Amino acid sequence: QVQVQESGPGLVKPSETLSLTCSVSGYSINSGNYWGWIRQPPGKGLEWIGSIYHSGSTYSNPSLKSRVTISVDTSKNNFSLKLSSVTAADTAVYYCARELTGDRVFDYWGQGTLVTVSS
Amino acid sequence: QSALTQPPSASGSPGQSVTISCTGTSSDVGCYNYVSWYQHHPGKAPKLMIYEVNKRPSGVPDRFSGSKSGNTASLTVSGLQAEDEADYYCSSYAGSNIHVRFGGGTKLTVL
Repeated sequence: QVQVQESGPGLVKPSETLSLTCSVSGYSINSGNYWGWIRQPPGKGLEWIGSIYHSGSTYSNPSLKSRVTISVDTSKNNFSLKLSSVTAADTAVYYCARELTGDRVFDYWGQGTLVTVSS
Repeated sequence: QSALTQPPSASGSPGQSVTISCTGTSSDVGCYNYVSWYQHHPGKAPKLMIYEVNKRPSGVPDRFSGSKSGNTASLTVSGLQAEDEADYYCSSYAGSNIHVRFGGGTKLTVL
């Protein structure tokens, strides 16, 4: 059973960098899928942030691309998100997920972690 | 980049059918057969219910079905059950630059 779980600080100061890690269990990250980050601001819909392949190849939302870094650690079977220069608008529940087909369709999701940007 | 348009709410009684729409453009829903639907019970992990317009992942009841016509996709839930009460989100592949758009979500209430 594939399981993914987000972890990281729940509070980040404005202008600093948000860092989250997604731990994958029950499945090898090397098995050939893309792995993604999605977020949901309070009261709003979902927004795709970006995705990464086990080789390190990445795709990012054009609106966030300049601030997003996604990396993978195959030895630890996890992948990570860094979002720089955060503002209150980046306050959201952040989800990590496995892609089913490589077309940004996500079949296994974590429960999400709330990250609040505030001083 | 605009989100796909979903009605904020939908409802039906147990045993009835309800259809949720998802309207995009000729650059996303109308262009690709890569529409997905997710069920989300607040506080839990979202669950993939439909992908590629009308395919169901293993374990999803056949009460859930998807379709598409032009720029609008639809999710139909037949034989409504209490546990179907949740938020539902659609998504569509939108090309190699935007990649994917999500809908704003529809809260389904089982009366």
